[in-house]
Amino acid sequence: DTAVSQTPKYLVTQMGNDKSIKCEQNLGHDTMYWYKQDSKKFLKIMFSYNNKELIINETVPNRFSPKSPDKAHLNLHINSLELGDSAVYFCASSQGRTLREQYFGPGTRLTVT
Amino acid sequence: AQTVTQSQPEMSVQEAETVTLSCTYDTSENNYYLFWYKQPPSRQMILVIRQEAYKQQNATENRFSVNFQKAAKSFSLKISDSQLGDTAMYFCARTQGGSEKLVFGKGTKLTVNP
Repeated sequence: DTAVSQTPKYLVTQMGNDKSIKCEQNLGHDTMYWYKQDSKKFLKIMFSYNNKELIINETVPNRFSPKSPDKAHLNLHINSLELGDSAVYFCASSQGRTLREQYFGPGTRLTVT
Repeated sequence: AQTVTQSQPEMSVQEAETVTLSCTYDTSENNYYLFWYKQPPSRQMILVIRQEAYKQQNATENRFSVNFQKAAKSFSLKISDSQLGDTAMYFCARTQGGSEKLVFGKGTKLTVNP
């Protein structure tokens, strides 16, 4: 009965590769997010989708492309991975654009070697 | 840039004692939400407590309570009767721009000692 799930939990890959992280929520929420947590634990929003529409797009390299096939899923594809992309990526969801709390997934630790 | 500041990178407390984590923020908005999230070693982000800026009453959740001072833009978290399971990173966050966008502080690492 996991609320927000992410796959994979760990991802180790080499520079230059392309990888995807998947996120699914079963809470019936209509808004989903991607956050990046760097090595110093700082969390910063990357993207947000509401009803499959992109509503927040922070200053993120074009190599990062989110895709939302439906309200319950938000995937993150990263092209040409760089060492600096190593981080923990969190997916989150919330109901509506109403200042409500966000529910986070377990995170995906990405290591680029 | 509108920021959230947690001035205590690390804190420690003895089991059963009380500890307060500080948070200040910068905003020009009148209505917003404030949150404390907990991140234990498992990495999972867990919501601890939420405060709506237009409510003067401080939020409480069992052993967790906040001291919300809107004029001072301060939002501290008090943990009473600390337990070993409270050991975690604690992040203060606020919404921005009247939306669901969350801006986080850099976190406070809390260690509860037996």
